[in-house]
Amino acid sequence: DAMVIQNPRYQVTQFGKPVTLSCSQTLNHNVMYWYQQKSSQAPKLLFHYYDKDFNNEADTPDNFQSRRPNTSFCFLDIRSPGLGDAAMYLCATSRPGQTYQETQYFGPGTRLLVL
Amino acid sequence: AQRVTQPEKLLSVFKGAPVELKCNYSYSGSPELFWYVQYSRQRLQLLLRHISRESIKGFTADLNKGETSFHLKKPFAQEEDSAMYYCALGASGAGSYQLTFGKGTKLSVIP
Repeated sequence: DAMVIQNPRYQVTQFGKPVTLSCSQTLNHNVMYWYQQKSSQAPKLLFHYYDKDFNNEADTPDNFQSRRPNTSFCFLDIRSPGLGDAAMYLCATSRPGQTYQETQYFGPGTRLLVL
Repeated sequence: AQRVTQPEKLLSVFKGAPVELKCNYSYSGSPELFWYVQYSRQRLQLLLRHISRESIKGFTADLNKGETSFHLKKPFAQEEDSAMYYCALGASGAGSYQLTFGKGTKLSVIP
């Protein structure tokens, strides 16, 4: 009964080669988030979508882009991965307006390795 | 700016001993605090929120605005409590709710 699904779980890419990570949800939540988590660091919010409205964090590098073609899917595109982009990438969802609207539901994460 | 500090990277306790995971925050508005937990090979999930004043799996956390703290406590640790614990500060912005996480504390319960 997976609710937030991330594929693949592990992704290896080459320095400078574009890569896309995917997230899907079965919860029908309005909001989808992408976090980056480096080793021993806090999850850091990159951006989020509220329905189709995209909200970028001020310090998210331009190298990171996102797409949300429909409610269920959201993609993270890294245009030219650098070695410093190696991290765990977490997708999360939430549904404003519900009781406990602030609860975020996380996927298992995709670990990105850049060679 | 919002900030969450978890001073301990690793906390080891014996089974049956009390546990306290520390969390301090910095926020100019009215804070909403959460504890998220990640068990081995599982996804990050909500443990408890200060608004609910609930006890989940024997854990409680009280928001102390004077000390800007939201420490997580359990009187008797169990082996199954071994996990990574993240304190998070929530705020509404850009039409949705956003979380600022601490770096996490790894709890290890020794049998």
